[in-house]
Amino acid sequence: EAQVTQNPRYLITVTGKKLTVTCSQNMNHEYMSWYRQDPGLGLRQIYYSMNVEVTDKGDVPEGYKVSRKEKRNFPLILESPSPNQTSLYFCASSQGGDYGYTFGSGTRLTVV
Amino acid sequence: AQSVAQPEDQVNVAEGNPLTVKCTYSVSGNPYLFWYVQYPNRGLQFLLKYITGDNLVKGSYGFEAEFNKSQTSFHLKKPSALVSDSALYFCAVRDGYSTLTFGKGTMLLVSP
Repeated sequence: EAQVTQNPRYLITVTGKKLTVTCSQNMNHEYMSWYRQDPGLGLRQIYYSMNVEVTDKGDVPEGYKVSRKEKRNFPLILESPSPNQTSLYFCASSQGGDYGYTFGSGTRLTVV
Repeated sequence: AQSVAQPEDQVNVAEGNPLTVKCTYSVSGNPYLFWYVQYPNRGLQFLLKYITGDNLVKGSYGFEAEFNKSQTSFHLKKPSALVSDSALYFCAVRDGYSTLTFGKGTMLLVSP
């Protein structure tokens, strides 16, 4: 089944403790992206990647890192999480062009 | 920069009545337009897209959307609403090779 898999689905952590949210797609898509969803703000893009070793900042990149060492994986790294990064995170992938995105199921992160 | 506006935070409609969820956009080139739906505790699901061609686009679950270039709008419609259509709806736009920008979302509530 074609899908984007995120892990974990739920995560509670403490301020400053480094964490990684994994994202993997099995559709051989070149384009991958991370979004965060907050009430009243919709989805805002954090980082995106056009291909392996090619990443770029989205609208809200502060406090996040990403890497794209292989085509299928696009992990999101929070080096020192803060409470304002409490949010619902989505990974997505696409063939690009006029194709839409396929989204993962989301990761609900709480930073206390 | 591209942008999407969804002017209504919430739309209420009675089951069996037609529904419209509004979306306007701004891009510098030809727009690729999308609608996604999010059910509670789920990821985003693709509903339909406009790339080129007919201004009326048909999608999943009986939804359709009308592209209006002069009004820069891409309103989502359905002739007869179902209670199960209650969800959060997102409009999104990309300009060819750019990233996908989402609106803030509109909550659709269909009453029995």
